Amino acid sequence: SQTIHQWPATLVQPVGSPLSLECTVEGTSNPNLYWYRQAAGRGLQLLFYSVGIGQISSEVPQNLSASRPQDRQFILSSKKLLLSDSGFYLCAWSWENNEQFFGPGTRLTVL
Amino acid sequence: RKEVEQDPGPFNVPEGATVAFNCTYSNSASQSFFWYRQDCRKEPKLLMSVYSSGNEDGRFTAQLNRASQYISLLIRDSKLSDSATYLCVVKVGGGSQGNLIFGKGTKLSVKP
Repeated sequence: SQTIHQWPATLVQPVGSPLSLECTVEGTSNPNLYWYRQAAGRGLQLLFYSVGIGQISSEVPQNLSASRPQDRQFILSSKKLLLSDSGFYLCAWSWENNEQFFGPGTRLTVL
Repeated sequence: RKEVEQDPGPFNVPEGATVAFNCTYSNSASQSFFWYRQDCRKEPKLLMSVYSSGNEDGRFTAQLNRASQYISLLIRDSKLSDSATYLCVVKVGGGSQGNLIFGKGTKLSVKP
């Protein structure tokens, strides 16, 4: 069966610091991968998606970036965090962009 | 108009009640539809896909009305464990380029 991991589970970072969140998927190959952010009281916002290694599509312009160095690894990064980057970051995978399955998420607080 | 719109609730119901959630979507090219469940401070989990003919999974029934661009979820004999936020999700576009659009969710609280 497929499993998806994210770490860290929680993170508190100062404004202006860098960020690196990692997501890995097991039990499948060549999945579509996604990064979402869920801010307090708001819906899920798609940030990036990837259909293959090195292929990244950005949905929302911002100070975040994503990379997919391996088939089942997806990384979300920032060089300098803003207060508005606080939120619940969720990684998800799918086959052929149908149902998506989410990881446990990373709760980021920027102070 | 929001792409996927849901009544935010909360819906406060007693155990055993039947509760219905509605969702409307704005893009007539939407191709696939889902209901997800999200517990507090947890990730969303797929509850069920919604098919044109309607589908049922135990106490849960989902309906789709393409003409009205409307999706519903019915929960019968609600349990305390059904308390969660229910997200209506619509896929716009096909293949790998289609993306899921999430509603903000409807909060359900089932009381003893």
